[in-house]
Amino acid sequence: DADVTQTPRNRITKTGKRIMLECSQTKGHDRMYWYRQDPGLGLRLIYYSFDVKDINKGEISDGYSVSRQAQAKFSLSLESAIPNQTALYFCATSDPEGGLITGELFFGEGSRLTVL
Amino acid sequence: ILNVEQSPQSLHVQEGDSTNFTCSFPSSNFYALHWYRWETAKSPEALFVMTLNGDEKKKGRISATLNTKEGYSYLYIKGSQPEDSATYLCAFCNNNDMRFGAGTRLTVKP
Repeated sequence: DADVTQTPRNRITKTGKRIMLECSQTKGHDRMYWYRQDPGLGLRLIYYSFDVKDINKGEISDGYSVSRQAQAKFSLSLESAIPNQTALYFCATSDPEGGLITGELFFGEGSRLTVL
Repeated sequence: ILNVEQSPQSLHVQEGDSTNFTCSFPSSNFYALHWYRWETAKSPEALFVMTLNGDEKKKGRISATLNTKEGYSYLYIKGSQPEDSATYLCAFCNNNDMRFGAGTRLTVKP
């Protein structure tokens, strides 16, 4: 079983719909991240959280929100999806003693979202 | 804006060939350089996290070098195998940010 699990793996939706992508992890890491991947671009950070009460905006947070319900769960919401949010979304975790800078990231398998 | 460039964008080699590709990053405020291997339909997986200028890391047939003063890292694969086919991502870290390059997509033909 994967240590970082994302659901759904694939989703097609329509413009204006609300979408939630969920991430759960069994690694016991405090730090969790949501990234977006578009063809020809690097992974871009949307939001990150260093513990249950901590939420931080990343490079491209507009149009997204997150919720850290528990140490093991970090969900990403698109309140009103638009076509340019069509992308592959990755959740990741990192070791509590590492972090965004030097700690390696452990990724889920990705959630492919298509907004029509 | 942190600019992380990877070259080439894609690469096709024959099984058995050795290959290398480059990650270029800003030479100021360096903290770490990460390399990840991403196979299609799977999770990206860390290969190396490098923090010191002159660092050389090796894992099996894959190795990496780091030059923080000039802002580049090389990833080498010796004797490429079809299972090495993947996208290789680098990520540059300064004191408060981490940015990924767009990746080098490697295809190894049997």
